[in-house]
Amino acid sequence: QLQLQESGPGLVKPSETLSLTCTVSGGSISSSSYYWGWIRQPPGKGLEWIGSIYYSGSTYYNPSLKSRVTISVDTSKNQFSLKLSSVTAADTAVYYCARLSYYYDSSGYSLGAFDIWGQGTMVTVSS
Amino acid sequence: SYELTQPPSVSVSPGQTARITCSGDALPKQYAYWYQQKPGQAPVLVIYKDSERPSGIPERFSGSSSGTTVTLTISGVQAEDEADYYCQSADSSGTFVVFGGGTKLTVL
Repeated sequence: QLQLQESGPGLVKPSETLSLTCTVSGGSISSSSYYWGWIRQPPGKGLEWIGSIYYSGSTYYNPSLKSRVTISVDTSKNQFSLKLSSVTAADTAVYYCARLSYYYDSSGYSLGAFDIWGQGTMVTVSS
Repeated sequence: SYELTQPPSVSVSPGQTARITCSGDALPKQYAYWYQQKPGQAPVLVIYKDSERPSGIPERFSGSSSGTTVTLTISGVQAEDEADYYCQSADSSGTFVVFGGGTKLTVL
């Protein structure tokens, strides 16, 4: 079945760029039925959506992070990636990648549910 | 920015019914989704499109919607249901994903 796996450094220095990759196995990232997304969770806190990408490269970002976030996709490797620049201690969190559905109805187009998640990777921002 | 509001905690005895609410102005227009998260684990989708249950999720989990509030109901709560529960939806544009702050369900 479809699986997602995050990878990347577990420790990043303040002011540097956090880079993570999510590898999709057991299915194609080029499916027309889904977006792919990044979500984070600071220790002891709730979930925060970072952004999402379609296989074509179309993206949506959380406005609160948009100035620092870039999400990209590599269909040849069945991967998508996250870059978060100018990190501070507040960016310390478990970072999850997940598959995101979307749908059309009478009201228009809307992003849906994260139905398959990676196990998450802890990233600490510290010097 | 758009927000979803959940109670921080709900407590219930085994066998009773737990109800967790989530409020947001766009909920009459947008579907809501519910996730269960146990310590050290990734979230698991338990309800989608307000009231649909993914395969493999027990029937005791159900969802409903009324105006600007959606509710996750767990009937006959079991000890294994103790977890954090998050609602999720989109804003009125459909392109901004938002999570509620989470509700810790304690089984007494």
